[in-house]
Amino acid sequence: ETGVTQSPTHLIKTRGQQVTLRCSSQSGHNTVSWYQQALGQGPQFIFQYYREEENGRGNFPPRFSGLQFPNYSSELNVNALELDDSALYLCASKRAGGPNEQFFGPGTRLTVL
Amino acid sequence: KQEVTQIPAALSVPEGENLVLNCSFTDSAIYNLQWFRQDPGKGLTSLLLIQSSQREQTSGRLNASLDKSSGRSTLYIAASQPGDSATYLCAVGSGSARQLTFGSGTQLTVLP
Repeated sequence: ETGVTQSPTHLIKTRGQQVTLRCSSQSGHNTVSWYQQALGQGPQFIFQYYREEENGRGNFPPRFSGLQFPNYSSELNVNALELDDSALYLCASKRAGGPNEQFFGPGTRLTVL
Repeated sequence: KQEVTQIPAALSVPEGENLVLNCSFTDSAIYNLQWFRQDPGKGLTSLLLIQSSQREQTSGRLNASLDKSSGRSTLYIAASQPGDSATYLCAVGSGSARQLTFGSGTQLTVLP
């Protein structure tokens, strides 16, 4: 059984640029969520995708957007990067209708200069 | 708005000691509670999942309890080992997407 994978591992961007992060869900999982974790804090929910549609969103501005593909993989896009976007971005997957146990990937460390 | 608090923020214990980590949440309308472990700079490893209808779950040296009515959960670690050193995060599943709301974690150091 393949776990959640994310790419890239690390990324450095400058303020104002755009970035795309990628996630492959765990085998058999059809729901993907993205979380942002600032240094020293717990992760914060960005949004969730099920059946290629966003079905839940946290308190993040519209410049944070996402996609889910037919194979359940997902992308997180962030436009007009700000210094405060520097964080660890975590992807989690679960099986809809299951016990709501979420499994996390290793994360992508984004640094905005 | 769901808020999750973890106490203490940091804990240092000698090897072999039993310890308890605490988690509290403000809204009892939850689907589940999940405990995670996070090593520095890494992703989250799921330790235990407790459904809202359950009172506790056990896995090896770990035992987690849930008192939904009082908004509290505890993670008990028996016979701690240096390899248990990590940050432990509590998260409650709630809301329309059953999204997780996390506490800020307890950073545990087990001294050999």
